[in-house]
Amino acid sequence: GENVEQHPSTLSVQEGDSAVIKCTYSDSASNYFPWYKQELGKRPQLIIDIRSNVGEKKDQRIAVTLNKTAKHFSLHITETQPEDSAVYFCAASTSGNTPLVFGKGTRLSVIA
Amino acid sequence: DSGVTQTPKHLITATGQRVTLRCSPRSGDLSVYWYQQSLDQGLQFLIQYYNGEERAKGNILERFSAQQFPDLHSELNLSSLELGDSALYFCASSVDQQQFFGPGTRLTVL
Repeated sequence: GENVEQHPSTLSVQEGDSAVIKCTYSDSASNYFPWYKQELGKRPQLIIDIRSNVGEKKDQRIAVTLNKTAKHFSLHITETQPEDSAVYFCAASTSGNTPLVFGKGTRLSVIA
Repeated sequence: DSGVTQTPKHLITATGQRVTLRCSPRSGDLSVYWYQQSLDQGLQFLIQYYNGEERAKGNILERFSAQQFPDLHSELNLSSLELGDSALYFCASSVDQQQFFGPGTRLTVL
């Protein structure tokens, strides 16, 4: 089955700097890659997603890139702010209405 | 607010007991997924229902079971509870591949 590896497990950046979180997946059939942000004790919130027919997607300060050949995808957050501090999870799935396989998460701390 | 609701928010019970967690998906979503998140851990997929039928099973213990009713709400039943079952339990619903999570039920087993 699918396996998703996520790095780093923790990341500290200064406010205003960029943050990059990387994930690799094992199943070449995976075609959907969402990113979730989870604040302490709260629900995971979908912040951006990308499908395998697209190489990059941006939404304001966040972007996701996908390299299908290498089977990895990354989350980029620019101009980080203290409210970006949270745990970020990547995930992958193979088709519609199938379970997501999650990475283990990255705890991002933005230092003011 | 994702549109997915879960009750109760918190549940405190003793070892050996049985509890039921409830989830209502977003209007129109046919799929419901259950995930378990232990302290400082990732999200472990338990089970999925699609339009009333079990679709996929993950790392769900035999002591746990679920069902989805004709109105599409779902219930997760946890029995013979152990200390290690203490966790946040999330449900999510989806249309196509986008999954939206409910606020979770925090289960504490004493």
